Amino acid sequence: DQQVKQNSPSLSVQEGRISILNCDYTNSMFDYFLWYKKYPAEGPTFLISISSIKDKNEDGRFTVFLNKSAKHLSLHIVPSQPGDSAVYFCAATSGGNRDDKIIFGKGTRLHILP
Amino acid sequence: DAGVIQSPRHEVTEMGQEVTLRCKPISGHNSLFWYRQTMMRGLELLIYFNNNVPIDDSGMPEDRFSAKMPNASFSTLKIQPSEPRDSAVYFCASSPGQLQYFGAGTRLSVL
Repeated sequence: DQQVKQNSPSLSVQEGRISILNCDYTNSMFDYFLWYKKYPAEGPTFLISISSIKDKNEDGRFTVFLNKSAKHLSLHIVPSQPGDSAVYFCAATSGGNRDDKIIFGKGTRLHILP
Repeated sequence: DAGVIQSPRHEVTEMGQEVTLRCKPISGHNSLFWYRQTMMRGLELLIYFNNNVPIDDSGMPEDRFSAKMPNASFSTLKIQPSEPRDSAVYFCASSPGQLQYFGAGTRLSVL
């Protein structure tokens, strides 16, 4: 049973437009959410996170929105750039101890079209 | 710091052989994680250590898989005997207590 779901395996977006990647979770104990980005032949790297006490966190072109009642979060990239083409993993964890394991979704492959 | 270092980067072996994957975490990080990435299951946690002690190995698929962390700077993931369905990319990650930092992974192919 997947606790973190990314239902879109892939997404194509025109360069300069907004990319929206979605993620749903089932465990109401999750209180910290992360997005990781992965290029081919490399390991995932941290992109942005959000605590459950917030509903929005912004870092440059990247914004994560959290809707706790719907158990849904999304990552917005504006404007999308060619270097954003990668696999994006949504992840979640619970508890104040960040040593706890992180549960990852299956990932969404984002293609930025020229 | 060179980051999390995994070796080998690629491993091709025959069914039934023993496979050992190695990981050197970032110095000072007290947690280490082993993940497996497949198309079907995505990125799944196999086991994680805190201060060299295994904390949660519930993700280890079978007794054929074992992991050790003899000291703070080294960990191994062993598969014995290996099977074709073990083919995947295996990642190691370390953490100072907040974010996880991943190695480049080992791509394992079991023929």
